[in-house]
This record gives sequence, C-alpha cells and structure tokens, in this order.
Amino acid sequence: QVQLVESGGGLGKPGGSLSLSCAASGFSFSDYYMSWVRQAPGKGPEWISFIGGSGRHIYHADSVRGRFTTSRDNAKNLVYLQMDGLRGEDTAVYYCAATLDGNFKVDYWGQGTLVTVAS
Amino acid sequence: QSALTQPHSVSGSPGQSVTISCTGTSSDVGGYKFVSWYQQHPGKAPKLILYDVAMRPSGVPDRFSGSKSVNTASLTISGLQAEDEADYYCCSFAGGPYVFGTGTAVTVL
Repeated sequence: QVQLVESGGGLGKPGGSLSLSCAASGFSFSDYYMSWVRQAPGKGPEWISFIGGSGRHIYHADSVRGRFTTSRDNAKNLVYLQMDGLRGEDTAVYYCAATLDGNFKVDYWGQGTLVTVAS
Repeated sequence: QSALTQPHSVSGSPGQSVTISCTGTSSDVGGYKFVSWYQQHPGKAPKLILYDVAMRPSGVPDRFSGSKSVNTASLTISGLQAEDEADYYCCSFAGGPYVFGTGTAVTVL
C-alpha cells in the first residue's frame, strides 16, 4: 500500500526556518521524482519544487528559490524541504507528491502538513 | 510562471454535463501534451482524474473526459453526480516547472 506521510509542519516566525520531511512506502522510491506542492488557505495548489530519483536534478519555483532547499535520502525513502527565510505568504498546507520518472502527473499524494508563518 | 486561468465556478443538475476550461500560453498548455486534472474535496489532498490531456487513471469513471486546443485545455464531466461536487484544478508541465490552474468549484444543483 502506497503511503506518503509528511511531518514537521507547525508555526514558524517570519525570517525563521522550518524543516519538512516526507516518508514514502509501498513503491520503488528511487524510480520516482518527488515534488513539494503547497496550497494556501482558499487558494489553488502551487508546485514549488521537485527532485529527480537520483537526487541530481532539482528545480525550485521562483517564489521559493534561494530560500527553500529540497533533498532526498533514497536509503531511508525520505524527501525533505528545508524552508529558510520564512514569509507570511508561505503559510499553506504542504503536500509531498510522487511522480514516476517519465510521467508528467502526480501518481501519489501525501495528506499534507500545515505550515503557518506568523509572529 | 502565472497560474492557468479557470472559471471560478460552474454548476449543473444531476445528469447534465459541465465543461471547465483551462487557459494558458504556448509555454505551458500550448507547448506540451502534459495537462492533468485533479479533483479536490474539502480538507482532502487532490486526486488525479485525467493526465496527458485525455487519459484516465484506472478507477476514474469515463464520465470524465479531456481535450485540448491550442492554449486551452478542457475537462468535461458528463452525467453529473452528487459526488462530483468538488474543486477541480488543471495542471500543465511548463518545461521544467509545473503550473496549476486557479481552480473551479463544481456545484451539483
């Protein structure tokens, strides 16, 4: 059974840092590129990053580039999102998502973790 | 990358058909055949209902269909059912990043 379980959400201060993790199980993790997608309250999803199966290819959206870092550990089936320089507009539910390499659709979604940025 | 444009809401009676448009540019929708659609119920994660413009994952009813013309993709729900009431988002590959649509709330009258 496929599972993606995010953790690490919570309250962060403007200018501060938070680190999210996503634990994957039930599929061949290294065959999938992993994305982080966030959804602000009442808004549509916003794709913010992906990382290729080997970890070599990483891409971040303009809105987070230079502040957020995406990484993965294939030995532990984990993907991470390090969020630095937090801003109020980073407040959102953050979803971990998996896409089989070669596909262009999200095959699996996590349940999401809420990040709130406030002083 | 700007969000793809969708109508804010559409509605229909049970059994009717509704169509949701998703308008982008030649850099996203018009440039690739990789448009997907997601259904989202309140408090839940999005669920894939179409990919590669018109392909349905296993388990998705054939009431859901998709098409694309130039820079606009469309999702049609035929034979509308009560459980189809949800938010719908399109998403397109854009040459590196992906871009989502603004979202459409479907109401079953």
